[in-house]
Amino acid sequence: GQQVMQIPQYQHVQEGEDFTTYCNSSTTLSNIQWYKQRPGGHPVFLIQLVKSGEVKKQKRLTFQFGEAKKNSSLHITATQTTDVGTYFCAVDNYGQNFVFGPGTRLSVLP
Amino acid sequence: DGGITQSPKYLFRKEGQNVTLSCEQNLNHDAMYWYRQDPGQGLRLIYYSQIVNDFQKGDIAEGYSVSREKKESFPLTVTSAQKNPTAFYLCASSILGAANGPQHFGDGTRLSIL
Repeated sequence: GQQVMQIPQYQHVQEGEDFTTYCNSSTTLSNIQWYKQRPGGHPVFLIQLVKSGEVKKQKRLTFQFGEAKKNSSLHITATQTTDVGTYFCAVDNYGQNFVFGPGTRLSVLP
Repeated sequence: DGGITQSPKYLFRKEGQNVTLSCEQNLNHDAMYWYRQDPGQGLRLIYYSQIVNDFQKGDIAEGYSVSREKKESFPLTVTSAQKNPTAFYLCASSILGAANGPQHFGDGTRLSIL
């Protein structure tokens, strides 16, 4: 099945600093999804990327799908304490199910 | 998400006991999934189902069983064969076909051993 890596595993930032997490696959992906899980909560869907080189923005969040469709990034500008949580990427496993990356845990210091 | 209901929220299992976690969805989704999450870890797929009366093993199916008798329901049984069941269990559903949309998750069940 698919395998996907995420880096970094942890990130501690001061409020107002930027944050980026990367998701990498050894194979070409049909699409990629991003989820956020707040501490003690469940994953919540953020966005899906389908096209090569696609860039989507949601307020302070910018999502990018690599040209080769093997990697993706999530960038948060000027982090806030509400951004705290774990960010997961998830990829389509040959149309059968989803494979989640291990996640990047973000801490934001006020 | 309001469309998926998991119960109970907390569950305690005694040695040698089977326990069943409930998952119900009213989103009319064909596909349903069960994940296990250990503290500070990612989501690992236990079982998934794309159609009623059919389901497939995920990466860590040993010690678990499921049924899919109705489209809306996908209960997970943690059997006594699962020696380390303490974890956070998440149920999710999606439109059939990964490219068609996101997964919607329930609030989860936290299972502990007594």
